[in-house]
Amino acid sequence: NAGVTQTPKFQVLKTGQSMTLQCAQDMNHNSMYWYRQDPGMGLRLIYYSASEGTTDKGEVPNGYNVSRLNKREFSLRLESAAPSQTSVYFCASRVGNSPLHFGNGTRLTVT
Amino acid sequence: AQSVTQLDSQVPVFEEAPVELRCNYSSSVSVYLFWYVQYPNQGLQLLLKYLSGSTLVKGINGFEAEFNKSQTSFHLRKPSVHISDTAEYFCAVSVRSGNTPLVFGKGTRLSVIA
Repeated sequence: NAGVTQTPKFQVLKTGQSMTLQCAQDMNHNSMYWYRQDPGMGLRLIYYSASEGTTDKGEVPNGYNVSRLNKREFSLRLESAAPSQTSVYFCASRVGNSPLHFGNGTRLTVT
Repeated sequence: AQSVTQLDSQVPVFEEAPVELRCNYSSSVSVYLFWYVQYPNQGLQLLLKYLSGSTLVKGINGFEAEFNKSQTSFHLRKPSVHISDTAEYFCAVSVRSGNTPLVFGKGTRLSVIA
């Protein structure tokens, strides 16, 4: 009963480096989401995928790209990391308008 | 577009006292409403949800919330808190149509004092 799995759990990058955050769900959910959490800011939506083959920008998409690889997997890529992207990243999924199921997060530090 | 305002960023309360965490939303269309809880260094867990029907919604761990359409509010309450309720609480809203993403408030940090 894995639910939503995110890798890695922790990552430290230097400014300008790139990386991909991985997310997979085993609940056969159609929709998947990437949020970032910063102190005092709550969760802000970066990108989402309402169904396999579609992706849309959220509130804070700049500096990020996403790929909905298949129904299970939704990755988030930082092409050139910046200190402003230091954050905790959460992947989530759901079917229809049901509640979101969250992964345990990736804590990213960019120096 | 919809938005969520959580009126208190921090709420300290003594153990066994009642607590209310306030949430107001803004939307021009009908909405679904959610409360999530985040314990330290963990992801978010669903506490309760309002989709339709009774405006008083009961969730896990003794929490409940009341949907008030006229005041556009969805306040979270618990009659007697425990130390283990110390966490951050997020209110979220989504519109009823389509696969629109959830919009979250900025969170309320509940600290229960022994």
